[in-house]
Amino acid sequence: EVQLLESGGGLVQPGGSLRLSCTASGFTFGSYAMNWVRQAPGEGLEWVATVSGPGGSTYYADSVKGRFTISRDNSKNTVFLQMNSLRDEDSALYYCAKTYSSSWYKGHWDYWGQGTLVTVSS
Amino acid sequence: QSALTQPASVSGSPGQSITISCTGASSDIGTYDYVSWYQQHPGKAPKLLIYDVSSRPSGISSRFSGSKSGNTASLTLSGLQAEDEADYYCISYTSTSTLVFGTGTKVT
Repeated sequence: EVQLLESGGGLVQPGGSLRLSCTASGFTFGSYAMNWVRQAPGEGLEWVATVSGPGGSTYYADSVKGRFTISRDNSKNTVFLQMNSLRDEDSALYYCAKTYSSSWYKGHWDYWGQGTLVTVSS
Repeated sequence: QSALTQPASVSGSPGQSITISCTGASSDIGTYDYVSWYQQHPGKAPKLLIYDVSSRPSGISSRFSGSKSGNTASLTLSGLQAEDEADYYCISYTSTSTLVFGTGTKVT
């Protein structure tokens, strides 16, 4: 059974940093691109970032480029999201999601975690 | 990259069919056949319904179907059931190597 478990969310002040983790099980982790998607309370979904299976390629939404860094450790079946220079508008539930196939650009994610909540507030 | 445009809400009666539109531009939906659709029930993670415009993952009911014409993609729900009441989102690949979601549609 595929499982994705996010952690690392919490309350942080504007300008601060936070590192999210997502630990996966139940599939060959290194064979699939992994993604972070966020959803502000009562709002829609927003793609945040994607990292390729081997980890050599990363892709970001314009809203987080230069502030967030996605990475992965395939030996630990874990994907990370380092978030710096956090803003109020970054407050959201952050989901980790597994890409359905080897093609990251298709935006098709077949397994999702339950999310970790990030609140940016002074 | 602006969000793709979806109607805020669509309603239907049990057994009916409804269609949700997702309008983008030539830089996303109009050029790429990489449109997916998700269903999200309140308090739950999204669920993949359709990918590559019209393909269904295993386990997804054939009542869900997708199509595309020009810059607009569509999701059709046939034989509407009570459990179909949820939020629906489209997503597309874009020419700037990013992904963009639609604004979301509430189905009642």
